[in-house]
Amino acid sequence: AQSVTQLDSQVPVFEEAPVELRCNYSSSVSVYLFWYVQYPNQGLQLLLKYLSGSTLVKGINGFEAEFNKSQTSFHLRKPSVHISDTAEYFCAVSPNNNAGNMLTFGGGTRLMVKP
Amino acid sequence: DSGVTQTPKHLITATGQRVTLRCSPRSGDLSVYWYQQSLDQGLQFLIQYYNGEERAKGNILERFSAQQFPDLHSELNLSSLELGDSALYFCASSRDRGRNNEQFFGPGTRLTVL
Repeated sequence: AQSVTQLDSQVPVFEEAPVELRCNYSSSVSVYLFWYVQYPNQGLQLLLKYLSGSTLVKGINGFEAEFNKSQTSFHLRKPSVHISDTAEYFCAVSPNNNAGNMLTFGGGTRLMVKP
Repeated sequence: DSGVTQTPKHLITATGQRVTLRCSPRSGDLSVYWYQQSLDQGLQFLIQYYNGEERAKGNILERFSAQQFPDLHSELNLSSLELGDSALYFCASSRDRGRNNEQFFGPGTRLTVL
């Protein structure tokens, strides 16, 4: 079984400041890692994913994340946020086996970008 | 627009009733997933279908059932509804059952049980 912990339920930040959203996971098998964003009244959109290879992954809208196997973390970063980045961000894992593609999500982090 | 459609957008019903949520996957996608998003439980995987057959099961209650039809659309049936079933229900689809296939999410159906 897998579990995902997002350490911050809310992160307020000023526009153009850098931001890091933290994610830690636990799993008895190796996993794929994902970050999704949910804008108000919308579905989830994939920001980026880690499957294998380079531990630094670049995604859409200027976001990037770094996979750290020893710390079982997959933190999301952006060097300079915009008002339009205000949304809920979800970290998720999927088992790297034949058990299906189901995603296990963290509790979400609400990013609030202030002018 | 992800290409995944869900109907209806909103559903208000009473306890004890039964409802059906519908999902049409992206063109060409064979896998359909159902997720529930609620305030107390967060986002939870319910069930996955691949090309008409159940592929994986998560925390889906016995009162809930799903199926995927030959045209690949899927329905989630919720019966004997309780107040705690009020949630946003998402459908997602992916190309096949490959382990690293990206899931595309629909806009969700918001269910309110009164």
